[in-house]
Amino acid sequence: GAGVSQTPSNKVTEKGKYVELRCDPISGHTALYWYRQSLGQGPEFLIYFQGTGAADDSGLPNDRFFAVRPEGSVSTLKIQRTERGDSAVYLCASSLGTGADTQYFGPGTRLTVL
Amino acid sequence: AQKVTQAQTEISVVEKEDVTLDCVYETRDTTYYLFWYKQPPSGELVFLIRRNSFDEQNEISGRYSWNFQKSTSSFNFTITASQVVDSAVYFCALSEPARGTYKYIFGTGTRLKVLA
Repeated sequence: GAGVSQTPSNKVTEKGKYVELRCDPISGHTALYWYRQSLGQGPEFLIYFQGTGAADDSGLPNDRFFAVRPEGSVSTLKIQRTERGDSAVYLCASSLGTGADTQYFGPGTRLTVL
Repeated sequence: AQKVTQAQTEISVVEKEDVTLDCVYETRDTTYYLFWYKQPPSGELVFLIRRNSFDEQNEISGRYSWNFQKSTSSFNFTITASQVVDSAVYFCALSEPARGTYKYIFGTGTRLKVLA
């Protein structure tokens, strides 16, 4: 079946603007994760959804970052008042549901803040 | 604190050589999971293997093998007879589901270059 998809693949924006990044998980996967990967680093956890609710948002760096998953499928990561330091690849992953399940990653959205 | 260390930043080998990528982890939990992912130049993380803390059996899958040693908190990955297509960044990751969060903690990755 189809894997995790993310749109857009690339997003260039100006400092101070608002952006939305979308993730479409593997069909049937109830858990969804967002990570951020800076150049030369491993992915860093941002937020985890189980169904519609954010079960763990401890990785969100500040209140400019927010994510939703209103129907328990597609998720949107929203960044307000973007800063140059937000430039990174934003990765989405999904898993079948339980905590021990393997996470499968999407291709990522490369965000560049000018 | 939970941590994953991949001390090798970059490794270059000539095709057909064997290569081992090191991963050392830190955790206070007795139940945890370890993973390896491959990130080719296209950028997508590709799942390779998952190992739980109660299963120390080594695993072999084709040219890939993994050595899990709890005594040294290591989960090393060996590619036998490397090929150019193995060139990628490889990440080791740790998950501690008993803490109620299922996030992965990744190492900084090892870039493998296989030269023809």
